[in-house]
Amino acid sequence: SQQGEEDPQALSIQEGENATMNCSYKTSINNLQWYRQNSGRGLVHLILIRSNEREKHSGRLRVTLDTSKKSSSLLITASRAADTASYFCATDAMGNQGGKLIFGQGTELSVKP
Amino acid sequence: GAVVSQHPSRVICKSGTSVKIECRSLDFQATTMFWYRQFPKQSLMLMATSNEGSKATYEQGVEKDKFLINHASLTLSTLTVTSAHPEDSSFYICSAPYLQGITEAFFGQGTRLTVV
Repeated sequence: SQQGEEDPQALSIQEGENATMNCSYKTSINNLQWYRQNSGRGLVHLILIRSNEREKHSGRLRVTLDTSKKSSSLLITASRAADTASYFCATDAMGNQGGKLIFGQGTELSVKP
Repeated sequence: GAVVSQHPSRVICKSGTSVKIECRSLDFQATTMFWYRQFPKQSLMLMATSNEGSKATYEQGVEKDKFLINHASLTLSTLTVTSAHPEDSSFYICSAPYLQGITEAFFGQGTRLTVV
């Protein structure tokens, strides 16, 4: 399977704490993206990091990318109950058609008030 | 940003019937669209690549005769689940890449299919 792996599969934290999710992938990439999905809903695009970037910030989100290890991490700081959702990384593999994404298995985040 | 609209958002059908799901790019042209399927508590799995004006490309293990894809225009791709069975019940979601210096994928809202 080309699918990447994410860990942890499930994460439960208290409001205000930070949440870190990790993603590993298998092929060389053009970029890596992180998405959020609320239960039974569509995807919300969070952040895109290009293969030549190492770190990117957007609000409370911080994404890192280590292409030598084929891994990425998503950090959500000062978490809120509204951050409760599933989070997926997705890679746009080099050589693939643009926009064709391979998703990781996802991390289910639960933020308790 | 670019918008992709998917319809219907929910559909319930009887076993043996066919269901058509539409995916439209509203403010840009998409020569390629992608269809994904997501079972409960699982990740999104790419089913096929829809190519405008030519045949779709299916991922390994996806039955092309069961999941018919038509990409008749630059803004519309349709996925038809033929002779649906309960095991086809799933969340189907489409995406269209939008080139703006770097290709980004924009997703439809998804379709929850329940086959009874």
